Amino acid sequence: NAGVTQTPKFRVLKTGQSMTLLCAQDMNHEYMYWYRQDPGMGLRLIHYSVGEGTTAKGEVPDGYNVSRLKKQNFLLGLESAAPSQTSVYFCASIDRPRGGGGNQPQHFGDGTRLSIL
Amino acid sequence: GENVEQHPSTLSVQEGDSAVIKCTYSDSASNYFPWYKQELGKGPQLIIDIRSNVGEKKDQRIAVTLNKTAKHFSLHITETQPEDSAVYFCAATNMNTGFQKLVFGTGTRLLVSP
Repeated sequence: NAGVTQTPKFRVLKTGQSMTLLCAQDMNHEYMYWYRQDPGMGLRLIHYSVGEGTTAKGEVPDGYNVSRLKKQNFLLGLESAAPSQTSVYFCASIDRPRGGGGNQPQHFGDGTRLSIL
Repeated sequence: GENVEQHPSTLSVQEGDSAVIKCTYSDSASNYFPWYKQELGKGPQLIIDIRSNVGEKKDQRIAVTLNKTAKHFSLHITETQPEDSAVYFCAATNMNTGFQKLVFGTGTRLLVSP
């Protein structure tokens, strides 16, 4: 049981290049999230999805696009990378809350370290 | 929207001492407060959480307290061990939205010296 797997683990891009980060979860979770983590700023939500085929903007969505074509996968795209997008990106997932409880732990991947020169 | 502040940013203690990390939140609708531990090169992992209908929760050496009136909550680690060294994040959310949109604090780097 791998949990949440992020690929790639590291990547260096040049300004203006594009790339896609992949998040895959094998827990049949309904909700998935993309965060970025910057020094001194904690984790900030970029986009999230509450189910296959749905996406929504988080706190810092500009410059990113996402897709959730399959329930187990959540893709984060950078169309034209900028140095300000140098960060560590984390994906997380949780199951749909049942019985009124929303307090399930978010399961995080180990991150993708992205540098943009 | 919600804003979560976390202090201190760095905390150094001797093995066996206690460590306390404090967070404040701004949105009175927030009712779920998890704490995550992040080890080097890994993603955050939930260590304890508390709902707004509870004032304190303990799990072995870890406890969390919540003061709804003052809008602050704290993580207490007793008898610290070197393996407790990590970055700790608090977070807050309103569970009534259904999909757990967490707002995180800025993190506390805890260093436990042998």
